[in-house]
Amino acid sequence: ETGVTQSPTHLIKTRGQQVTLRCSSQSGHNTVSWYQQALGQGPQFIFQYYREEENGRGNFPPRFSGLQFPNYSSELNVNALELDDSALYLCASSPGSLGTEKLFFGSGTQLSVL
Amino acid sequence: AQSVTQLGSHVSVSEGALVLLRCNYSSSVPPYLFWYVQYPNQGLQLLLKYTTGATLVKGINGFEAEFKKSETSFHLTKPSAHMSDAAEYFCAVSGYSGNTPLVFGKGTRLSVIA
Repeated sequence: ETGVTQSPTHLIKTRGQQVTLRCSSQSGHNTVSWYQQALGQGPQFIFQYYREEENGRGNFPPRFSGLQFPNYSSELNVNALELDDSALYLCASSPGSLGTEKLFFGSGTQLSVL
Repeated sequence: AQSVTQLGSHVSVSEGALVLLRCNYSSSVPPYLFWYVQYPNQGLQLLLKYTTGATLVKGINGFEAEFKKSETSFHLTKPSAHMSDAAEYFCAVSGYSGNTPLVFGKGTRLSVIA
């Protein structure tokens, strides 16, 4: 049990729609990062937030955006969904400002885009 | 920039046999190295990590890995496989003392045969 919860667990959307995925981190974890895991691939870094500010971004277009809230919850928003956005989306939190040494992953949200 | 190559997308061993999962990395800075395990429909769980110091690191569930700088490798081993070890295993690298996002390999699926 990592103390990181994600909702919903599964989601089906159609192409062109918008989606919001949610993550609740452990209390005291100021950093949250999001990863996309396509079928048969390793997770890919989307972006990271520290104290409600984005402080790192991977190779994902601007239609992927996020928010982090003071209550240790966060959101991943994806606009104009494409078929290739179908993947498992993982949230990970950390007690530090940066760093991957102590990452705690949630179980993910499985997004299917039809 | 960092990258990870996991040799073998699928490894099959008999119960009680040695488990060896291969990982080679590329990094322009001293790396932090990780092995994660993913069970079906679950998120990632940290098995072990190398940051600095001793190059042979021990993790949970009897797994261990050795950091070999000269070979740029971080192979995962377990002396005796158990049925419960069947899962997907991911090697990951982070640079700058862990202050960059994780870069994952594509994963190796381990099957354990009774």
